[in-house]
Amino acid sequence: EAGVAQSPRYKIIEKRQSVAFWCNPISGHATLYWYQQILGQGPKLLIQFQNNGVVDDSQLPKDRFSAERLKGVDSTLKIQPAKLEDSAVYLCASRSGTGEYEQYFGPGTRLTVT
Amino acid sequence: AQSVTQLDSQVPVFEEAPVELRCNYSSSVSVYLFWYVQYPNQGLQLLLKYLSGSTLVESINGFEAEFNKSQTSFHLRKPSVHISDTAEYFCAVSDLVGGAQKLVFGQGTRLTINP
Repeated sequence: EAGVAQSPRYKIIEKRQSVAFWCNPISGHATLYWYQQILGQGPKLLIQFQNNGVVDDSQLPKDRFSAERLKGVDSTLKIQPAKLEDSAVYLCASRSGTGEYEQYFGPGTRLTVT
Repeated sequence: AQSVTQLDSQVPVFEEAPVELRCNYSSSVSVYLFWYVQYPNQGLQLLLKYLSGSTLVESINGFEAEFNKSQTSFHLRKPSVHISDTAEYFCAVSDLVGGAQKLVFGQGTRLTINP
């Protein structure tokens, strides 16, 4: 089966610009996660969706970050406006259902804000 | 709140030597523990997990980890490493499996294997 797809793989923008990342989870996976991984740190959860509803967005900086999962499949994560400290790898992961424990990760999008 | 501490940011070892990557966690409730591996330019992959039962868990490529509740640890070990084990390893904890499960990750340990 195909894995979690993310695009773009790399993005360089200037501060105050906006950027969007796209994630296509594994087919049939109900739960989708967005993580931020700053260099030298472990991934930090930004937002969790169950189908097209938000389960947890407590660590999402909502003044500049937004995410949606229309129709419970693909998801986009947007940053507007970007700051230097947003430079990181943004990881998308999916999990199949309520009884499953394993999260499957995409390759990530590396964002550099200059 | 849960947290995970990986005590070593980098671990260099020679090929065929044993290795231990240390992980300690804090949690006030039941825990489920995971080790994920990230090979260069790839996404994270689940290496092994502890959910319940035997405290010693193994992966298919020779790694093992032991859940120690009294020491709140979940150290990862391999008796003889290979060049292909070069990667970053992340320990993670969750208080749920299924449902609203979310993972809290440690900072990662970069394992470098020297020939």
